[in-house]
Amino acid sequence: DTGVSQNPRHKITKRGQNVTFRCDPISEHNRLYWYRQTLGQGPEFLTYFQNEAQLEKSRLLSDRFSAERPKGSFSTLEIQRTEQGDSAMYLCASSLIESGADQPQHFGDGTRLSIL
Amino acid sequence: KNEVEQSPQNLTAQEGEFITINCSYSVGISALHWLQQHPGGGIVSLFMLSSGKKKHGRLIATINIQEKHSSLHITASHPRDSAVYICAVRSLETSGSRLTFGEGTQLTVNP
Repeated sequence: DTGVSQNPRHKITKRGQNVTFRCDPISEHNRLYWYRQTLGQGPEFLTYFQNEAQLEKSRLLSDRFSAERPKGSFSTLEIQRTEQGDSAMYLCASSLIESGADQPQHFGDGTRLSIL
Repeated sequence: KNEVEQSPQNLTAQEGEFITINCSYSVGISALHWLQQHPGGGIVSLFMLSSGKKKHGRLIATINIQEKHSSLHITASHPRDSAVYICAVRSLETSGSRLTFGEGTQLTVNP
């Protein structure tokens, strides 16, 4: 179990640029979640996948945000035309769902995005 | 009003003290999670519970479903316990096991 891996750990970019983050979940986990956390706040849900299917997107996920999990393994989160308000920690988590039973989510260390 | 409220927001303790962090929620849930977040962002799952009480080392988590309240206790606190502790719930009103989080409690344990 190598844990959930996120890359890069830090991203600094100018306003208006596009950025892409990657998440590698724990290999046998079929659910993958993206959350966003701003300073001093708890994380907020953005979207989740079961295998390769994106099953839910939050209202927080504007048209500038897109997420994919093309082969049901790793996932990418892209933000186009970044804005100052996008500065946050982007967290990925994965879990194994069997027979609908809840299991703990395992979190990555996050990608911290800073928009200049 | 947030669906998940934690108290206190900040807590400073002396090494060895017994610590309690509280979490109240306003929705029906299938599970409640306690998470620990260290500086730099990494989150570790401490407990997932839907009833009763769980214990792991010096950490104890309890939940009262009827009162929609959970507590996280730390016995014999140590400076390495300093972190943000976050309560999160899986609401019965949402799909996909996604979590709704409290704002966290910043714990500082001084030697």
